[in-house]
Amino acid sequence: GENVEQHPSTLSVQEGDSAVIKCTYSDSASNYFPWYKQELGKGPQLIIDIRSNVGEKKDQRIAVTLNKTAKHFSLHITETQPEDSAVYFCAAIFSGGGADGLTFGKGTHLIIQP
Amino acid sequence: DAMVIQNPRYQVTQFGKPVTLSCSQTLNHNVMYWYQQKSSQAPKLLFHYYDKDFNNEADTPDNFQSRRPNTSFCFLDIRSPGLGDAAMYLCATSRDFGGLGTEAFFGQGTRLTVV
Repeated sequence: GENVEQHPSTLSVQEGDSAVIKCTYSDSASNYFPWYKQELGKGPQLIIDIRSNVGEKKDQRIAVTLNKTAKHFSLHITETQPEDSAVYFCAAIFSGGGADGLTFGKGTHLIIQP
Repeated sequence: DAMVIQNPRYQVTQFGKPVTLSCSQTLNHNVMYWYQQKSSQAPKLLFHYYDKDFNNEADTPDNFQSRRPNTSFCFLDIRSPGLGDAAMYLCATSRDFGGLGTEAFFGQGTRLTVV
C-alpha cells in the first residue's frame, strides 16, 4: 500500500516569512495529492491539491509542487500570517477507481511567530 | 454552510457501552468515509462506502461497524468501546474515486471520550 512521509513535524517561522513542508510517497501509481489544514478541535480542511499531470499549482499565497520522478511534493506558503498557524497534512491516493481512502502524512505543526 | 455534519461534536461513553456516531452530507456524494484520528496523529481510514457498497480496511477492528441507510447519512457504531478507542472520529465524503471527483471533504469530527 501507499506510504507517505512528511517533514518537518514542527515548523516555526516569523510572520511574513515563507514556510515549506515536504512529503514523499511510495506508490508510483498515486496521482492525486491534496493538502489539508487542521485547526485545533476541527476537521481537516482542503486547501490545495495537485494531480500528477501537473507540476505546480498556485492559489494566492499557497502553492504546491510535484516531482513525479522523485515521488515528492511540497507545500509553499508565502507571506505567512498568524491565521496560518495549524497542523498541515499531505496525502496521496490513486484516483483511478476502486481506490481506498487517502493515505496521510503524519502532519506538520506550523507555528507563525508574531 | 456546513456540507458534512457530524453529531455530536463531543461524546462521552462508558467502557464497554455501545455508542453510535452520526454523519450527514448535503453534497449528494457517492463515497462516505470514516477516519479515526488519535492525538497528534494523522487520520487513519477505518472503512468507506461507495453508495451501498461497504469496504472495510484490513486492520479495522471488528468492534467498529458502519451503516449507510441512504445517500445522506452514515453511522459509525462502536460495539464495546475500550480506552484505546478514545479519539477524534472524522467523516468525509467525495463525489467519486476517480478523476475530478476525488476531492474529499471532512466534517468537524466527533471527539469520543471513554470513561
